[in-house]
Amino acid sequence: ETGVTQTPRHLVMGMTNKKSLKCEQHLGHNAMYWYKQSAKKPLELMFVYNFKEQTENNSVPSRFSPECPNSSHLFLHLHTLQPEDSALYLCASSSGEGAAEQFFGPGTRLTVL
Amino acid sequence: AQTVTQSQPEMSVQEAETVTLSCTYDTSESDYYLFWYKQPPSRQMILVIRQEAYKQQNATENRFSVNFQKAAKSFSLKISDSQLGDAAMYFCALSPGEYGNKLVFGAGTILRVKS
Repeated sequence: ETGVTQTPRHLVMGMTNKKSLKCEQHLGHNAMYWYKQSAKKPLELMFVYNFKEQTENNSVPSRFSPECPNSSHLFLHLHTLQPEDSALYLCASSSGEGAAEQFFGPGTRLTVL
Repeated sequence: AQTVTQSQPEMSVQEAETVTLSCTYDTSESDYYLFWYKQPPSRQMILVIRQEAYKQQNATENRFSVNFQKAAKSFSLKISDSQLGDAAMYFCALSPGEYGNKLVFGAGTILRVKS
């Protein structure tokens, strides 16, 4: 595997379910990010992790819970979501040094019923 | 607050011709970075070009160049000799501050390339 991978690629869940999104980067980067991409809206930064420490939480509801066990893996735990949370969730990574290029994964298409 | 505005929801260009995508932004930071990212249909987002605000010279990457007007807070992308593979959603993004790792995106412009 190369670059940034995300699993699953598609997820359908009910509002009472608990699920997790996984992101893995194979680039030796130190910073990882979660973004939400909704139809007809700009990408929204959700969380930033630098060296496994969360450095940004962009006022994200607590029903989204990130976890970064090491610099290569990032999870987004989901529980009691709402239909308006349906979107493409993108993970990205960067070296963490200055304005380094962010490398994006293919995303997880989430549908909340 | 930081904002990025892309006023063109959709643009079309004939193959081999030139097209310019517009972007304006607002930030109170003196140090910042600007980016253009490309998201092809059902494919991963990739960086097209990057501009440091402290550099006056416009960035260029092969057929892609920018027109950075700092006073006007404008950052347009010019694609020369357009190819079918350039068809994608293009996002302008701002990263405020000297560390530059918090991207604020515009709404995007869909670029269609006609053969």
